[in-house]
Amino acid sequence: QQQVKQSPQSLIVQKGGISIINCAYENTAFDYFPWYQQFPGKGPALLIAIRPDVSEKKEGRFTISFNKSAKQFSLHIMDSQPGDSATYFCAARGGANSKLTFGKGITLSVRP
Amino acid sequence: DGGITQSPKYLFRKEGQNVTLSCEQNLNHDAMYWYRQDPGQGLRLIYYSQIVNDFQKGDIAEGYSVSREKKESFPLTVTSAQKNPTAFYLCASTPGGQNSPLHFGNGTRLTVT
Repeated sequence: QQQVKQSPQSLIVQKGGISIINCAYENTAFDYFPWYQQFPGKGPALLIAIRPDVSEKKEGRFTISFNKSAKQFSLHIMDSQPGDSATYFCAARGGANSKLTFGKGITLSVRP
Repeated sequence: DGGITQSPKYLFRKEGQNVTLSCEQNLNHDAMYWYRQDPGQGLRLIYYSQIVNDFQKGDIAEGYSVSREKKESFPLTVTSAQKNPTAFYLCASTPGGQNSPLHFGNGTRLTVT
């Protein structure tokens, strides 16, 4: 049973547009929700993270929106750039299981 | 610079051979992890270790073994019992604590033929 589900599976956005990646979780004990960015041939790197006591967190062009009642959170990339083209993973952690559970990742392509 | 070093970047082995992937960190992190990445499968946890001389199985531990004799090192052995070993392997570490981020190495791509 997949505990963290990402959508869409892939995304193509024009330069300057908004990229939106969604994530849904099932375990209500989760209390830490990070997003990781991975470029080809590299390891993932933490992009931004949120805890459920806030509904939104913004860092530069990247924003996480969190909806606790719907058990969903999303990553918004404003003014998307070709350099944002990468694989994005959402993840969740908390409760008795302290390990991160990752979504399957989505590939974002930003066209010039 | 502190970080996680995985070596080699590319590794080729014949079927039936065991192979060991190296992971070294100089971040003084207590916890270390091994993940496997396959296209469309995300990151799946193989093994993790929260302190020296102790480690636990993750979600897909069958066919793998690890050791944690030193804080800085967490090698992963892919044994001949692993039925589908070709994959991208990622090592990660974290200092511990509830919201500590994972720091990843740049991975080892293992190809078994």
